[in-house]
Amino acid sequence: DTAVSQTPKYLVTQMGNDKSIKCEQNLGHDTMYWYKQDSKKFLKIMFSYNNKELIINETVPNRFSPKSPDKAHLNLHINSLELGDSAVYFCASSQELAGGRADNEQFFGPGTRLTVL
Amino acid sequence: AQSVTQLDSQVPVFEEAPVELRCNYSSSVSVYLFWYVQYPNQGLQLLLKYLSGSTLVKGINGFEAEFNKSQTSFHLRKPSVHISDTAEYFCAVGNYGGSQGNLIFGKGTKLSVKP
Repeated sequence: DTAVSQTPKYLVTQMGNDKSIKCEQNLGHDTMYWYKQDSKKFLKIMFSYNNKELIINETVPNRFSPKSPDKAHLNLHINSLELGDSAVYFCASSQELAGGRADNEQFFGPGTRLTVL
Repeated sequence: AQSVTQLDSQVPVFEEAPVELRCNYSSSVSVYLFWYVQYPNQGLQLLLKYLSGSTLVKGINGFEAEFNKSQTSFHLRKPSVHISDTAEYFCAVGNYGGSQGNLIFGKGTKLSVKP
């Protein structure tokens, strides 16, 4: 069974379009994340979210917005796509630990390769 | 602020040879450290982690890493590599005072194992 799944696997679209990437985890975790991996493989966190708070990396443009319909899903919406948004986007999840600890393993999805033309 | 430096962007090595992938970090507070592996066209998978205690940690697939606080390093090692170890390896650091689960990743080291 897939632990963290993402759809679609590939997404090719034109500049200016609005698109969404879906993420689902069946691990019962309560914290989910979105990462962006650029062409040089550099991996950068965009958002982390649990039922208490959304933490946004301040460098992420507000064209990007996460939406969580329930604890098992964290979708990524992107408005007005730009060429520089082309990257691989990874969703991940982890279990929040007691006492505010954040050192638990993150489980990653297979990634969505977004190409903006 | 924290940062992670992976000193080698590419490491070519022959099969059955030993390998060390270097990782250095900077942080003003206590840290925890991870090594993740990314096989081609796949997501990241945890190899091992250091939280506290013994500085030598063992992970999957025969990998191990040693936390060295004085040198702020967390180098990954394997005594004998296989072709199947060809992948991108990422070192990541988080701190106990930071945002929930947020990790800072290094830029990755591509390990290429040749027959």
